[in-house]
Amino acid sequence: GAVVSQHPSWVICKSGTSVKIECRSLDFQATTMFWYRQFPKQSLMLMATSNEGSKATYEQGVEKDKFLINHASLTLSTLTVTSAHPEDSSFYICSARDPAGAVAPLHFGNGTRLTVT
Amino acid sequence: GQQVMQIPQYQHVQEGEDFTTYCNSSTTLSNIQWYKQRPGGHPVFLIQLVKSGEVKKQKRLTFQFGEAKKNSSLHITATQTTDVGTYFCAGGSSNTGKLIFGQGTTLQVKP
Repeated sequence: GAVVSQHPSWVICKSGTSVKIECRSLDFQATTMFWYRQFPKQSLMLMATSNEGSKATYEQGVEKDKFLINHASLTLSTLTVTSAHPEDSSFYICSARDPAGAVAPLHFGNGTRLTVT
Repeated sequence: GQQVMQIPQYQHVQEGEDFTTYCNSSTTLSNIQWYKQRPGGHPVFLIQLVKSGEVKKQKRLTFQFGEAKKNSSLHITATQTTDVGTYFCAGGSSNTGKLIFGQGTTLQVKP
């Protein structure tokens, strides 16, 4: 089955620093990847759609300068949380569809738990 | 914008009891998907429903898609401790193609 690998699994950083999270599709190509954020005991909120070779599409209310997304290849998307603050602490999960298509199921990475101190 | 509401938020059952979670959308959906997230884990795809009135079964799990394609349910018969986790429905928007997740129902099963 389709496997999405996310790294790191957890990270602790100091306020004001930047953190990069990687999302890889291991056995399929993903022209589109999705980045979600999940607060404790809450649902998954779509942050942005990452598009290979072009700009990401951000959801309303998500600061594109704060959450930088790069999708440079068909198997890798990265999310960089810039100038992180404690309120950015959350569980970030990426996903991709295999096969590609609007109704195909999402395959999620294991997620990255970010703690900003 | 489109919303997907899911109830209940939490459910505690005794092992062997049945469990149902309900999902309602404010708009007609192109499809509905169900995911399960174990504590500390990531969501895992369970099933997808596309047709109006569709019913699918996976062992003790029964999934239904409403006739109007605006609601869905997941029913678990005779729950087991391995069923513990949060169940999310996710509605596919006919307009945008995006998946909108419900709030999830967290199931606790007492042995």
